[in-house]
Amino acid sequence: QKEVEQDPGPLSVPEGAIVSLNCTYSNSAFQYFMWYRQYSRKGPELLMYTYSSGNKEDGRFTAQVDKSSKYISLFIRDSQPSDSATYLCAMKASGGSYIPTFGRGTSLIVHP
Amino acid sequence: SAVISQKPSRDICQRGTSLTIQCQVDSQVTMMFWYRQQPGQSLTLIATANQGSEATYESGFVIDKFPISRPNLTFSTLTVSNMSPEDSSIYLCSVERPAGYGYTFGSGTRLTVV
Repeated sequence: QKEVEQDPGPLSVPEGAIVSLNCTYSNSAFQYFMWYRQYSRKGPELLMYTYSSGNKEDGRFTAQVDKSSKYISLFIRDSQPSDSATYLCAMKASGGSYIPTFGRGTSLIVHP
Repeated sequence: SAVISQKPSRDICQRGTSLTIQCQVDSQVTMMFWYRQQPGQSLTLIATANQGSEATYESGFVIDKFPISRPNLTFSTLTVSNMSPEDSSIYLCSVERPAGYGYTFGSGTRLTVV
């Protein structure tokens, strides 16, 4: 079992839909959780950063962490064609190594 | 957060040759990270580069194949040596954001070895 599991998709939705992207993980030491967006031929850019459990909202984006289930989610409201990209989750433990573990990424297509 | 300039953005190389990828950061950073991203795969860390010391390589990556330089706090290079088609991938450099809130990435180098 990989440390971080993420369905690669693609996930195709109509414009305006609510999108739910998810990752599961096995390492209970993970404390920091991140979501990155990667457009084609670009590097990943940080969207959301959360610590421990709970929700965090930023505009149309909401990150949710459920440590008891080892499950994180990214919700995108009112999705736009410009949201079409690959979304990668990442997580890391506190202290020790600085290195995050990334998911494979989910390809999202928002069609007009 | 830091801005990273990475080049080249893409290249097509002959097998057996070497390619050096450069990353320039607009601020001083202690550690720089080099990743490989193969199609449909997660980001794989190649090595961590600290200024003034040898890079630390992850399992499966060796210095002879991926030599790294880190001459100062704003610059690093990764060389992919004696390339084979299996080295075709996207290579990315990264730095940690201030206060540890995530990471910033370069735009990536798309390498094709023929």
